[in-house]
Amino acid sequence: EVQLVESGGGLVQPGGSLRLSCAASGFTYSGYWMHWVRQAPGKGLVWVSLINSDGSSTTYADSVKGRFTISRDNAKNTLYLQMSSLRAEDTAVYYCARGRGRGGALDIWGQGTMVTVSS
Amino acid sequence: QSILTQPPSASGTPGQRVTISCSGSSSNIGSNIVNWFQHLPGTAPKLLIYSNSQRPSGVPDRFSGSKSGTSASLAISGLQSEDEADYYCAAWDDSLNGWVFGGGTKLTVL
Repeated sequence: EVQLVESGGGLVQPGGSLRLSCAASGFTYSGYWMHWVRQAPGKGLVWVSLINSDGSSTTYADSVKGRFTISRDNAKNTLYLQMSSLRAEDTAVYYCARGRGRGGALDIWGQGTMVTVSS
Repeated sequence: QSILTQPPSASGTPGQRVTISCSGSSSNIGSNIVNWFQHLPGTAPKLLIYSNSQRPSGVPDRFSGSKSGTSASLAISGLQSEDEADYYCAAWDDSLNGWVFGGGTKLTVL
């Protein structure tokens, strides 16, 4: 079964750091681009970042540029999002998603992991 | 405020046809493919339409997508109670060098 499972969410203080993981299974992970998308409470989906299939190219939304780092380990079939200098407005459910190229379909999504930034 | 504009809500009765619009610009919808997603709170978003009008396997043909210029639309015919969900359009934006989503449309089946 094709599956993405996020983990690593939790409660963190403003200014703190957190690393999210997304474990992929059921497909050739190294052949796909990967994305992070988030949804703040009561709000819509917002794209956060993407990484190409071999990890050599990354792109970020302006709201997280310089604070978040996306990476992947193709040997472990795992995607990461290192988040630092966290703010209250980063509070959201974070989803990882499989992408078909830079502008192609996000065709498989995980169930999400909740990140709460609060003192 | 989202880069892609969707109506915040839509509604219909069982069996009806509803349409959800998505308005963008030349840097996103006007030059890139549009995807549509269905999202139920607490669950994984689901790809409904890709490449403007293509349905992934398993998506009923009651769902259809179209694009014209800088706008796109999602149509749902034969509305069913299980279609009640949030719907999002999305596309790559060449100016922002990133993906942009619509604000989402909450569909209510009356």
